[in-house]
Amino acid sequence: AQKITQTQPGMFVQEKEAVTLDCTYDTSDPSYGLFWYKQPSSGEMIFLIYQGSYDQQNATEGRYSLNFQKARKSANLVISASQLGDSAMYFCAMSPTGFQKLVFGTGTRLLVSP
Amino acid sequence: EAQVTQNPRYLITVTGKKLTVTCSQNMNHEYMSWYRQDPGLGLRQIYYSMNVEVTDKGDVPEGYKVSRKEKRNFPLILESPSPNQTSLYFCASSQEAGGTYEQYFGPGTRLTVT
Repeated sequence: AQKITQTQPGMFVQEKEAVTLDCTYDTSDPSYGLFWYKQPSSGEMIFLIYQGSYDQQNATEGRYSLNFQKARKSANLVISASQLGDSAMYFCAMSPTGFQKLVFGTGTRLLVSP
Repeated sequence: EAQVTQNPRYLITVTGKKLTVTCSQNMNHEYMSWYRQDPGLGLRQIYYSMNVEVTDKGDVPEGYKVSRKEKRNFPLILESPSPNQTSLYFCASSQEAGGTYEQYFGPGTRLTVT
């Protein structure tokens, strides 16, 4: 069975600073995808970034980068230059082989202060 | 515009009164899923569909039904809702394309069963 662990229930960061949100996963699948989603207070799920298990390089999307360490089974999200609008709930998720489902962690609430 | 739509967005109902939450996507995606989100638990998959007339159970299917008669639609049916089905529900559609993979989420349906 697949499992995602997010050990930080809440994180605080000052505007313009970088922050790392932790995510570890457990799977026996040889091929899988790792995702990060943002959920603002309005409730929608916003896709941020994707990393395939066989990708050699860490994924980046603008201010978001995914620090993928396969041997450690970790997929941390790094947000550079935090903005007030980054305040939200962040979910790490994994899709095992076949991509029929996403397995989510319990989320990390990020608060960005001025 | 590529999107997943859900209706209704908010619903308050009583125990035992059958209801249907509709989901439609305009991207011709093969995969569609339903998730429920509960505080402290992240999102959990209820059912998924790999194509028309092909559906399978996710992690928490009890008390729910689905159907996939057309590629674009994937309704969620609660035959006899109970208070423990009070939750935020998300429909999602997905397809692998160009080496990456993303699930598009609908805006969510907040259901309260009294």
